[in-house]
Amino acid sequence: GDSVTQMEGPVTLSEEAFLTINCTYTATGYPSLFWYVQYPGEGLQLLLKATKADDKGSNKGFEATYRKETTSFHLEKGSVQVSDSAVYFCALNRIQGAQKLVFGQGTRLTINP
Amino acid sequence: DAGVTQSPTHLIKTRGQQVTLRCSPKSGHDTVSWYQQALGQGPQFIFQYYEEEERQRGNFPDRFSGHQFPNYSSELNVNALLLGDSALYLCASSRTGTNYNEQFFGPGTRLTVL
Repeated sequence: GDSVTQMEGPVTLSEEAFLTINCTYTATGYPSLFWYVQYPGEGLQLLLKATKADDKGSNKGFEATYRKETTSFHLEKGSVQVSDSAVYFCALNRIQGAQKLVFGQGTRLTINP
Repeated sequence: DAGVTQSPTHLIKTRGQQVTLRCSPKSGHDTVSWYQQALGQGPQFIFQYYEEEERQRGNFPDRFSGHQFPNYSSELNVNALLLGDSALYLCASSRTGTNYNEQFFGPGTRLTVL
């Protein structure tokens, strides 16, 4: 079945550091890929998405590129801020059939000033 | 434009009881999905409702049931609660027919089973 694997956390960085959170997936066909962010005590917010191979999703300085050859969708940001502290989830969604999201286990990110 | 809303925010029940959680989708959305997020885990798909019918179901027992109303709002019912049902329950809405059916999440209902 479909699955998503994220790098284990927690991840702790200093402000203005470079961020990478790895995500790989297993799925038949060509899923859409997403990064969601969850701030403390809140639900999930869509951070960025990519719907086909080689697409780059970007938002708020975060970027991720859909790499079909390596089945990956790594999240990157050039300079993190304290306000980026949250839990990040990689997810996939099949284009065909029922639209259920399959999530990774999440990566907790803490940014220190 | 109101986003996805859920009620209640928090709920405390005891083992064996039954619970009903409610969700109102984002305006213009016709599909509602429910997810269970255990502490420290990613959300797990419970089921999805479209046109008042269950369209797909994840690996959850029959104790978990749902309903969708003509106005597209939805309920999640859990019977015979177990300690392991303690989790954040997330509702997501989407509009069927869009390219990738982006799902918008509500803030969740935190259920604690004692």
